[in-house]
Amino acid sequence: SQQGEEDPQALSIQEGENATMNCSYKTSINNLQWYRQNSGRGLVHLILIRSNEREKHSGRLRVTLDTSKKSSSLLITASRAADTASYFCALSQYGGSQGNLIFGKGTKLSVKP
Amino acid sequence: DTAVSQTPKYLVTQMGNDKSIKCEQNLGHDTMYWYKQDSKKFLKIMFSYNNKELIINETVPNRFSPKSPDKAHLNLHINSLELGDSAVYFCASSPATSGRDEQFFGPGTRLTVL
Repeated sequence: SQQGEEDPQALSIQEGENATMNCSYKTSINNLQWYRQNSGRGLVHLILIRSNEREKHSGRLRVTLDTSKKSSSLLITASRAADTASYFCALSQYGGSQGNLIFGKGTKLSVKP
Repeated sequence: DTAVSQTPKYLVTQMGNDKSIKCEQNLGHDTMYWYKQDSKKFLKIMFSYNNKELIINETVPNRFSPKSPDKAHLNLHINSLELGDSAVYFCASSPATSGRDEQFFGPGTRLTVL
């Protein structure tokens, strides 16, 4: 399928620990984006990494992209209970329809206080 | 101020009815989208509009008709509602005409068809 596949589907950790989520895909991409969705809410954009970039940081977030392996990872350091949410990767493809982001099924992260 | 707003937040209706969901963005963006999120949290694009013109129309039944009266609004009208239409519908917008930048999502409309 064209969509990203997040791994793991669910992750439960203690506050203060690091959380790592992975996204694998099969197509060529223009960029890859990560979004967070709190329960019952809309998605919030976290970070965008372009196909010619390998790593990006934003606060406690670190995203890597390996286009040769067609995979990306999202690392949340020193997690907090407020980080509890579902995290989605979304692919923006070369040649794809304008603005057509393809979302994965998400990783559900639970951070226990 | 809410950047992307949707109304209503919840919509419960009977099979066969016609309903509309409204979306407005005050970000000055050129591109707006409708997504459907099913019970398994899978999010799929339905439509994309750029400056009031339809850009993307994925394999969505023609019972679904988007309408964009101006750049800031993209409404979704659904005819003859079916049980399978039950889902959360999200409106989103993005600034660039390329549509490849980040997207800003509304809070969602939970549609339940009985």
